[in-house]
Amino acid sequence: EVQLVESGGGLVKPGGSLRLCCAASGFSFSSYNMNWVRQAPGKGLEWVSSISTGSSYIYHADSVRGRFTISRDNAENSLCLQMNSLRAEDTAVYYCAREVDTIIDSWGRGTLVTVSS
Amino acid sequence: QLVLTQSPSASASLGASVKLTCTLSSGHSRFAIAWHQQQPEKGPRYLMKVNSDGSHNKGDGIPDRFSGSSSGAERYLTISSLQSEDEADYYCQTWGTGGVFGGGTKLTVL
Repeated sequence: EVQLVESGGGLVKPGGSLRLCCAASGFSFSSYNMNWVRQAPGKGLEWVSSISTGSSYIYHADSVRGRFTISRDNAENSLCLQMNSLRAEDTAVYYCAREVDTIIDSWGRGTLVTVSS
Repeated sequence: QLVLTQSPSASASLGASVKLTCTLSSGHSRFAIAWHQQQPEKGPRYLMKVNSDGSHNKGDGIPDRFSGSSSGAERYLTISSLQSEDEADYYCQTWGTGGVFGGGTKLTVL
């Protein structure tokens, strides 16, 4: 069974940093592109970042480019998102998601990030 | 620029059928999309991939009541024999220069 478990969320002040990670199990992690997707309170889903199997291709949404960095460790079956210079509008539940040929086919349960003074 | 357009809301009666639509922007009519369901207070759940030829591939454990189809730039999710637990937000998703989501359709089961 595919399992994606996010961790690292919490309350942080504007301008602060936070590192989210996702522990993957139940599949060959190194064979899949991985993504972070977020959902602000009461809003829809927003794609944040994507990383290819060998980390050669990395993409970020315009809203986070230059502030967020996605990374992965295939030996540890782990996906991370380093978030710097956080803003109130980054407040959201962040989901780890597995991708197959441009389609997201598995989701984690999410971790809540709250940016507030 | 690739955009996915969904109606904000839909409703149908218990036991009836409903067809939700996701429209791909001009020039992208051959793209496959995925449908995801998000029940209240829960995370998203992958339902299926719908290809431009109308074929679809469902996720594990997705009931037969859920099916997908296509026509031109439109991708559909049909839910038959509606149940109360089908009341949820439904999102379509694909990939352009990055991930792309539709705005979501809130389905109410009457």
